[in-house]
Amino acid sequence: DTAVSQTPKYLVTQMGNDKSIKCEQNLGHDTMYWYKQDSKKFLKIMFSYNNKELIINETVPNRFSPKSPDKAHLNLHINSLELGDSAVYFCASSPRDSVFNQPQHFGDGTRLSIL
Amino acid sequence: GEDVEQSLFLSVREGDSSVINCTYTDSSSTYLYWYKQEPGAGLQLLTYIFSNMDMKQDQRLTVLLNKKDKHLSLRIADTQTGDSAIYFCAGAPGGKLIFGQGTELSVKP
Repeated sequence: DTAVSQTPKYLVTQMGNDKSIKCEQNLGHDTMYWYKQDSKKFLKIMFSYNNKELIINETVPNRFSPKSPDKAHLNLHINSLELGDSAVYFCASSPRDSVFNQPQHFGDGTRLSIL
Repeated sequence: GEDVEQSLFLSVREGDSSVINCTYTDSSSTYLYWYKQEPGAGLQLLTYIFSNMDMKQDQRLTVLLNKKDKHLSLRIADTQTGDSAIYFCAGAPGGKLIFGQGTELSVKP
């Protein structure tokens, strides 16, 4: 199936740990994104990569480090996890930067819970 | 920066029309979007409207844009229980999507 797939779907871990979330898209898109959705459903962009190059980097703590080994993958590594990092993290992709009205396709999310 | 606001909840009866409203502050978005999020799933693009248009219809969905008032609405005709979800409006000033808080639509049989 063509899609944006994220792993894992659920991630439960303790404060202070380091974890990674993986994202892959097989849609041939050039641009990929990470979003964070908090407990009130508020959705905010964190990062965007276009052809492996970082183009958007919101005011996210530097404990969060995205890595794009190729344009089909955008992984998110989080160091020293804190309680406030508990959220649903969504990966998305689009053919080009969304300013050209290329719709973004979203993965199903990774539900991160910090104990 | 951009601020996008929506009411948080809407409850309708099956078969009625639903109208979800959104206001925004930055008029530089070339397009404005409506996304749908079903429980446990990601966001699905429902429809979008070019900023020079004032209306767009797509089957049961009608989008109205009032640029003067910076107001966007999504009307769903003949609402079904399967339409129960959270609906997000979004603008894209400067090329990044800015979402409203989402409106949770509950459809009662």
